[in-house]
Amino acid sequence: KQEVTQIPAALSVPEGENLVLNCSFTDSAIYNLQWFRQDPGKGLTSLLLIQSSQREQTSGRLNASLDKSSGRSTLYIAASQPGDSATYLCAVRPNTGGFKTIFGAGTRLFVKA
Amino acid sequence: GAVVSQHPSWVICKSGTSVKIECRSLDFQATTMFWYRQFPKQSLMLMATSNEGSKATYEQGVEKDKFLINHASLTLSTLTVTSAHPEDSSFYICSADPSGVNIQYFGAGTRLSVL
Repeated sequence: KQEVTQIPAALSVPEGENLVLNCSFTDSAIYNLQWFRQDPGKGLTSLLLIQSSQREQTSGRLNASLDKSSGRSTLYIAASQPGDSATYLCAVRPNTGGFKTIFGAGTRLFVKA
Repeated sequence: GAVVSQHPSWVICKSGTSVKIECRSLDFQATTMFWYRQFPKQSLMLMATSNEGSKATYEQGVEKDKFLINHASLTLSTLTVTSAHPEDSSFYICSADPSGVNIQYFGAGTRLSVL
């Protein structure tokens, strides 16, 4: 059974710092992996989608990597800003079992001004 | 890009009433839609897979008579929370797959508060 773990659960950093959020999954048979942002009381905003054949994706200050064989993904945020404060969710879509996306519990990020 | 619209975004109801939440794919057809539930400070948990023209597939522990799902067309799935109680208060999010494209697009979510 696929399990997705995100470390750390919470993170507080000063503005301007570069940071890395980690996601690990137990079954490498995935179709894709997606990183989302969720603001308090709001829905999901898709940040980056990495297909299983890809190693990384970049969008602005965000870079996500995927190492399928080791079951790991990282989300790198450069030059963090207070507006980056949110919960970041990692989600894995298996390529079996009805393609049901499995979410991690998230990392709550707080960037201090 | 593909857009999934979810309505309402927020609903407050009295205990014992039923609430219907709609999930629409605005610019694509979706044979499959998914319904998730999120409790405060927890992650999203899949409730059920909604299949156009057939019965929904529920995850273990989800009461199908409590959470009625109807996927009557290729662009609309509805989730009805029947006889809602305070413990049903949660954030409900749907997602949809464009047919033939294995990428999920998510709605903005519905916050349900049952008094």
